[in-house]
Parts: sequence; structure tokens; C-alpha cells
Amino acid sequence: AQSVTQLGSHVSVSEGALVLLRCNYSSSVPPYLFWYVQYPNQGLQLLLKYTSAATLVKGINGFEAEFKKSETSFHLTKPSAHMSDAAEYFCAVSRGDSSYKLIFGSGTRLLVRP
Amino acid sequence: DVKVTQSSRYLVKRTGEKVFLECVQDMDHENMFWYRQDPGLGLRLIYFSYDVKMKEKGDIPEGYSVSREKKERFSLILESASTNQTSMYLCASSLEGRGELGTQYFGPGTRLLVL
Repeated sequence: AQSVTQLGSHVSVSEGALVLLRCNYSSSVPPYLFWYVQYPNQGLQLLLKYTSAATLVKGINGFEAEFKKSETSFHLTKPSAHMSDAAEYFCAVSRGDSSYKLIFGSGTRLLVRP
Repeated sequence: DVKVTQSSRYLVKRTGEKVFLECVQDMDHENMFWYRQDPGLGLRLIYFSYDVKMKEKGDIPEGYSVSREKKERFSLILESASTNQTSMYLCASSLEGRGELGTQYFGPGTRLLVL
């Protein structure tokens, strides 16, 4: 069965520092992977997605993620954090049984210190 | 741009009331979804629909029902609201298909409080 694990419910970084949000998945079929961001009191917005093309995926707002099959990981990074990056981030994997359904991780809240 | 709208941002209801949450998408998407979001649990799928009048249960359908009479509209119904249904409810839609086509687009959410 497919599953997603996000390590760290809260991550705190200083403004300008590297952002690293971790996501590990398990999937019995080649996965499609997504990162979504949720700003306070809003819905989820797509940051980026891996759909079996390039393993390094670039998204909006300077974020990128690398698909590593050997590590079953899809970690999200940004070289330099900005105050506006403070939000909750969700990793998701497509379900094997029905590809248009997604399984979401429990989320990681990113705090950016001035 | 895909737009998914939800009828209310905030709702307060009493235990036992029947509650309707409405979702509308404007991109002719086949698939529509209802999730609930609770702290530490991420998003959990309640129901989804892959076509008009077609629906399937998700992971936590108990206490909920849905209706899809038109392609653009997907309603979530709480037959008899209970306090444990206090949550954030998110609607999403996607095209038919995997990967790129399966990208889900979300509405702003409805925060429901059941007293």
C-alpha cells in the first residue's frame, strides 16, 4: 500500500537559511509525487510535482525537489528562506489502486525567524 | 487558472443539524474530492466522484454523504452533525488521468465548528 511520511511536524529556519523539508514514500507502483503549500486560512496550492520525467523538479517560489528512487525520498528544498515561506507543506503520493487519488502526509509547518 | 470555490469559509452549527457544504469548479474536471483536515493527521479523503451521479467512499465516509447532480458541483452532507466533525473541509478537483492530469486543485476550505 502507498504511504507518505513527513519527518518533523515543525521546522524552524532563519531568514536566508536553507530550507529542507523531508518526505519519504512507499509505493508498489512507480509513484507520482506532489508538494503542496497551505498558507494560513487558505486551501492547498500546488508547489511542484514529479510525474516520471526529470528527477529534479523545480516549482514555484524558488522551491525544488529531487526524486530519489533508491532512498524512496522526495525532499523539498529552497536555498534561501523568506519570511513569506512560512506555511504548512504537504507531500502527497498517487495511490496505486486508483491513480487520480492522492495520499497526503501529515504536514510540516515551516517557521521562518527574522 | 482553475478555480475551485466553496460556499462558506466559516460555519457554526449545532449537534444534530443537517449541514450542506457546497463546492464548485469551473474547469470541466471529471474528478472531485472532499477531504477533512485535522492537525497532525494531514488530509483524509471522505468521498470522491469521478462523474456526474457517480461516487465512491474514501477513507472516512462514516457520517457523511455526497451529491453530484452537475459536473461542476459536488456537495458534502453531514446528515446529523456531531462535535467530532468539527474540522476544516477541503474540496478539490482534477482531470481524469494519472500524473500531470491527476493534479488536484483545491478550494479555500470551510472551517466547520459543531457545538
